[in-house]
Amino acid sequence: GAGVSQSPSNKVTEKGKDVELRCDPISGHTALYWYRQSLGQGLEFLIYFQGNSAPDKSGLPSDRFSAERTGGSVSTLTIQRTQQEDSAVYLCASSLELVHDEQFFGPGTRLTVL
Amino acid sequence: AQKITQTQPGMFVQEKEAVTLDCTYDTSDPSYGLFWYKQPSSGEMIFLIYQGSYDQQNATEGRYSLNFQKARKSANLVISASQLGDSAMYFCAMRVNTGNQFYFGTGTSLTVIP
Repeated sequence: GAGVSQSPSNKVTEKGKDVELRCDPISGHTALYWYRQSLGQGLEFLIYFQGNSAPDKSGLPSDRFSAERTGGSVSTLTIQRTQQEDSAVYLCASSLELVHDEQFFGPGTRLTVL
Repeated sequence: AQKITQTQPGMFVQEKEAVTLDCTYDTSDPSYGLFWYKQPSSGEMIFLIYQGSYDQQNATEGRYSLNFQKARKSANLVISASQLGDSAMYFCAMRVNTGNQFYFGTGTSLTVIP
């Protein structure tokens, strides 16, 4: 079966532009997570969704970051007015339920802000 | 504060030998889960093993075992009979059930030497 997919795989943008990153979770997975991984670093938890709801947005780095999920499936992470420090790999993961043991990760979107 | 600490930035092990990757955690929440993930150079995150805070037995999955010492707040990963394909970054992570946030360590780079 299909795993978690993310698009685009690579995105190069200019400072100040908005970008939208997309995540398609595994069908039937109710929980979805967004992480950011800077070069050579661990993962920074950004936000999770249970269904379409994101109960805790405190992990988002700034108010330039927002995320939504519609239909309990696809999620988009939007970064407005991108800055160079936003450059990272953005990883999406999904799990069957919120407290399920295993998260399945997508391949990530590598964002480069020039 | 919730925190995951991996103190070994890099480790080397001879093929077929066992290796222990260290992980300590800090949380005041009595209910939490501990995870280990493998990230090869290709970038994908691969779930390896899970230990719940109330689990009495140490988790095992094939060649992977988690040495869970609750009083010391450690969750070390033991890989037995190392293989060349085990060379990768290894991340320890914690999910605190209150709030459902995930916290990742900075990772340990494991190199298996033939």
